[in-house]
Amino acid sequence: ELKVEQNPLFLSMQEGKNYTIYCNYSTTSDRLYWYRQDPGKSLESLFVLLSNGAVKQEGRLMASLDTKARLSTLHITAAVHDLSATYFCAVDENSGYALNFGKGTSLLVTP
Amino acid sequence: EAGVVQSPRYKIIEKKQPVAFWCNPISGHNTLYWYLQNLGQGPELLIRYENEEAVDDSQLPKDRFSAERLKGVDSTLKIQPAELGDSAVYLCASSYSPGTEQFFGPGTRLTVL
Repeated sequence: ELKVEQNPLFLSMQEGKNYTIYCNYSTTSDRLYWYRQDPGKSLESLFVLLSNGAVKQEGRLMASLDTKARLSTLHITAAVHDLSATYFCAVDENSGYALNFGKGTSLLVTP
Repeated sequence: EAGVVQSPRYKIIEKKQPVAFWCNPISGHNTLYWYLQNLGQGPELLIRYENEEAVDDSQLPKDRFSAERLKGVDSTLKIQPAELGDSAVYLCASSYSPGTEQFFGPGTRLTVL
């Protein structure tokens, strides 16, 4: 059974600071997704990482994938309040095509 | 381009009542997914369709849940009878083909009293 673990689960950070969210998974996969969810809203796709060493950046967010370590990171640079949301990583188990989600990281950016 | 459409957005019912959720995927997307999201958790797959065929329904509680995707486009998820523990958000997602990026609808928030 594929397990996806995110940490931290809760993160409070000041505006302007940097931080990294980690996503570990337990079986072989080369497809990993990051989603953002605002309260009461659906999931918004942020990044699609499809190969070892993939790195993608959008604004203050940068995601990377190390398939050998079974680890993905979501790095936040100079956080702003608008980034407050819950961030999920999801792994596509090769044989199943369904996404296995982590529990999410609830991020709060404060002044 | 229109996204994944779901209705209703909210539903409140009493336990033992039936309920149905509807999903219209993005045009041209052959793969459709229903996920269940409990409060504070990530979504969990209930069922996956390839066109009109359910190819992965191992996580669907078949004693009370059913789903269909007639003509390989719209899909309906039904619960009968609903239980208190079914209160959650039911998300529909679609993708062009298996293993490609999934796009999620706004979800239906079900409250069972």
